[in-house]
Amino acid sequence: DGGITQSPKYLFRKEGQNVTLSCEQNLNHDAMYWYRQDPGQGLRLIYYSQIVNDFQKGDIAEGYSVSREKKESFPLTVTSAQKNPTAFYLCASSSRGYGYTFGSGTRLTVV
Amino acid sequence: EDKVVQSPLSLVVHEGDTVTLNCSYEVTNFRSLLWYKQEKKAPTFLFMLTSSGIEKKSGRLSSILDKKELFSILNITATQTGDSAVYLCAVEYGNQFYFGTGTSLTVIP
Repeated sequence: DGGITQSPKYLFRKEGQNVTLSCEQNLNHDAMYWYRQDPGQGLRLIYYSQIVNDFQKGDIAEGYSVSREKKESFPLTVTSAQKNPTAFYLCASSSRGYGYTFGSGTRLTVV
Repeated sequence: EDKVVQSPLSLVVHEGDTVTLNCSYEVTNFRSLLWYKQEKKAPTFLFMLTSSGIEKKSGRLSSILDKKELFSILNITATQTGDSAVYLCAVEYGNQFYFGTGTSLTVIP
């Protein structure tokens, strides 16, 4: 089955740690995105990538980093510079004209 | 600033009722407007609208876009408890997506 796989589903981070969220897709989509969702707010774009080895900052990129070494993979690292990382993180991919496919999300909690 | 505004923020209806969810937006030259249904997992795609005045329909759900007045509506007829969810509207503009905060719909038996 084609789709997007995010892992882990739940992640706990200690303050000062970097953590990496995985996002893999087998849809052959060129574009991939990372969003963050907080209660009472819409999804906010962290980073996006239109092609391999290229990515752009979204609205709230500070404290995050990404890489796009393969078309299928777009991992997101939440660094210790992100002051309020507790949130639900969604990865998505798209192919022009066909809408978007979302992963099932990762819930990150700082402990 | 809020580029996409959804209303109402929340709605409680009885099974069988018809509901209309609203999405207004500020951008004009956008590529598409999308509707999603979000339950406990990630949003599931409902509709993508690119042309004004053309209704998209899927079962009991339908949606239409008014590019002149800059809004879209999502209609759900004969609501069921399984329709309870947050409905998200998003606008694709440039290389980004702007989401509203969603309308939380609760359908009670």
